[in-house]
Amino acid sequence: AQSVSQHNHHVILSEAASLELGCNYSYGGTVNLFWYVQYPGQHLQLLLKYFSGDPLVKGIKGFEAEFIKSKFSFNLRKPSVQWSDTAEYFCAVIPSGTYKYIFGTGTRLKVLA
Amino acid sequence: DSGVTQTPKHLITATGQRVTLRCSPRSGDLSVYWYQQSLDQGLQFLIQYYNGEERAKGNILERFSAQQFPDLHSELNLSSLELGDSALYFCASSAQLGDEQYFGPGTRLTVT
Repeated sequence: AQSVSQHNHHVILSEAASLELGCNYSYGGTVNLFWYVQYPGQHLQLLLKYFSGDPLVKGIKGFEAEFIKSKFSFNLRKPSVQWSDTAEYFCAVIPSGTYKYIFGTGTRLKVLA
Repeated sequence: DSGVTQTPKHLITATGQRVTLRCSPRSGDLSVYWYQQSLDQGLQFLIQYYNGEERAKGNILERFSAQQFPDLHSELNLSSLELGDSALYFCASSAQLGDEQYFGPGTRLTVT
């Protein structure tokens, strides 16, 4: 079955530390890839997306993600996190030709001031 | 504000009861998705509609049903409620299949 794995369930960082959240998916074909963020008490918002083209995607708030097709990965990165980045981050995949979004289990990031 | 609206924001009901959650997608979006988010299960995809037709089903219980109306709003019906159905229910919409989703603020359901 198609799935999305986010191996880090909880991450705690100090402000200014660098962030990398892992996302791997299991599907051999073409996919659209997304990272969403859910701030405390809020709904999910799109951080960035990849459909095709440059595998290094830049999103909002200084986040970026790199699609590595050979590794079936779409890791999220930020060079220097802020306290306001404290949130839950979800990776999502939609295999081409299907209608079903597959979300990862999420990673809770806590940034210490 | 994503443009997706959900009502009600909060709902408290008793076990065995039936409730209806409502979602209005962003203007022009044809696809509506329903998700359940709980602390122990994470974000679970329930069901998806596109222009009134069911297109994908996820982990939706038989006690749950949904529909999308001609004006594109959607309703999620939850019946014979159990304590374990307490969760946040999110609706999302997208313009086309495969596009990014825009999420509503959610309905927090508490079953007592």
